[in-house]
Amino acid sequence: AQTVTQSQPEMSVQEAETVTLSCTYDTSESDYYLFWYKQPPSRQMILVIRQEAYKQQNATENRFSVNFQKAAKSFSLKISDSQLGDAAMYFCAYRGSGSRLTFGEGTQLTVNP
Amino acid sequence: DGGITQSPKYLFRKEGQNVTLSCEQNLNHDAMYWYRQDPGQGLRLIYYSQIVNDFQKGDIAEGYSVSREKKESFPLTVTSAQKNPTAFYLCASSIVAGGPETQYFGPGTRLLVL
Repeated sequence: AQTVTQSQPEMSVQEAETVTLSCTYDTSESDYYLFWYKQPPSRQMILVIRQEAYKQQNATENRFSVNFQKAAKSFSLKISDSQLGDAAMYFCAYRGSGSRLTFGEGTQLTVNP
Repeated sequence: DGGITQSPKYLFRKEGQNVTLSCEQNLNHDAMYWYRQDPGQGLRLIYYSQIVNDFQKGDIAEGYSVSREKKESFPLTVTSAQKNPTAFYLCASSIVAGGPETQYFGPGTRLLVL
């Protein structure tokens, strides 16, 4: 079974600085998808960014980018120019064959003004 | 506006009572999912459905039941057999067409036991 591990329960960053959230996963599949979701205090899950495993190029969405290391099974999220609105719980998720998502335990990000 | 709605926002259950959480989507998505979220944990899959009149158990299906009579609707019933139902419940949907099949989430329902 696939597992997703987020080793940082909490992280903090100063406003306008850069922070990186870690995620590792375990799988025997070669074709899969990886996602980062954000859950603000409202608890609505919001898609931040996704990565297809067959693509070598790292995905980027404005201030959010990933460092995808397939051989190391690592999928970290970098947030540049952090803003107060980035404060949230961030979840890494994996989807292999089938439609099921497997989530990590989450990283609580605090942004300090 | 297209999206996923969940109701109610808060739900209270008495001992021995069955309660039903509503999830509706107008995104024309084929697949729908129910997740449970407990404090300090990630989301755990309860049930999912990829097509009308068909659904599969997830990792923690015991004490829950679902139906999928319409493409737009996927209600979740928390039965009296679920001994620890207090949690935040999230519904999601996605297309089923290959590719990432990104899941999009509703706003959630918080269930509390009286």
